[in-house]
Amino acid sequence: AQSVTQLGSHVSVSEGALVLLRCNYSSSVPPYLFWYVQYPNQGLQLLLKYTSAATLVKGINGFEAEFKKSETSFHLTKPSAHMSDAAEYFCAVSEGYNQGGKLIFGQGTELSVKP
Amino acid sequence: KAGVTQTPRYLIKTRGQQVTLSCSPISGHRSVSWYQQTPGQGLQFLFEYFSETQRNKGNFPGRFSGRQFSNSRSEMNVSTLELGDSALYLCASIWGETQYFGPGTRLLVL
Repeated sequence: AQSVTQLGSHVSVSEGALVLLRCNYSSSVPPYLFWYVQYPNQGLQLLLKYTSAATLVKGINGFEAEFKKSETSFHLTKPSAHMSDAAEYFCAVSEGYNQGGKLIFGQGTELSVKP
Repeated sequence: KAGVTQTPRYLIKTRGQQVTLSCSPISGHRSVSWYQQTPGQGLQFLFEYFSETQRNKGNFPGRFSGRQFSNSRSEMNVSTLELGDSALYLCASIWGETQYFGPGTRLLVL
């Protein structure tokens, strides 16, 4: 069965510092992997996705993630945090559209950015 | 293109009542999925529809049901509401392997 683990329910960084949000997955087949961001009282916004093309994926707002099959990881990074990055971030895995459109989400990581 | 639309945005119901939530996907998308988000359980998959057919269902009781219309709009219904059904209900419009989420409907059951 698929699962996603996000290490750290809360991460705090200073403005301008590196952001690193960790995600590990388990899947019996090559997965599709996603990072979403959720601002208060809003839905989920897609940041980036891995769909078996390049292992380093660039997304919106300066975020990127690297797929490492040997480590079953898909960590999200941003070189320099901005106050507007404060939000909750979710990693998700899918076995593909033909498997019935089901995303399995991690528990989320709340990112705080200190001035 | 317009994004995913969910109505209503906020809803207050009492225990035992039923509720219907609506979702309009992105134009041209034929597949829709629904998720429940709560502080305790996180984001959980409810069901997915493609061309008016339910293709996949999560582990929720039969009180949770859904349907999709020929124009791809989808509705979900929760009957005999319980306090634990208070949640943010998110609909996603699916294109290929990617899901694009709407703003959600926040349901409060009193």
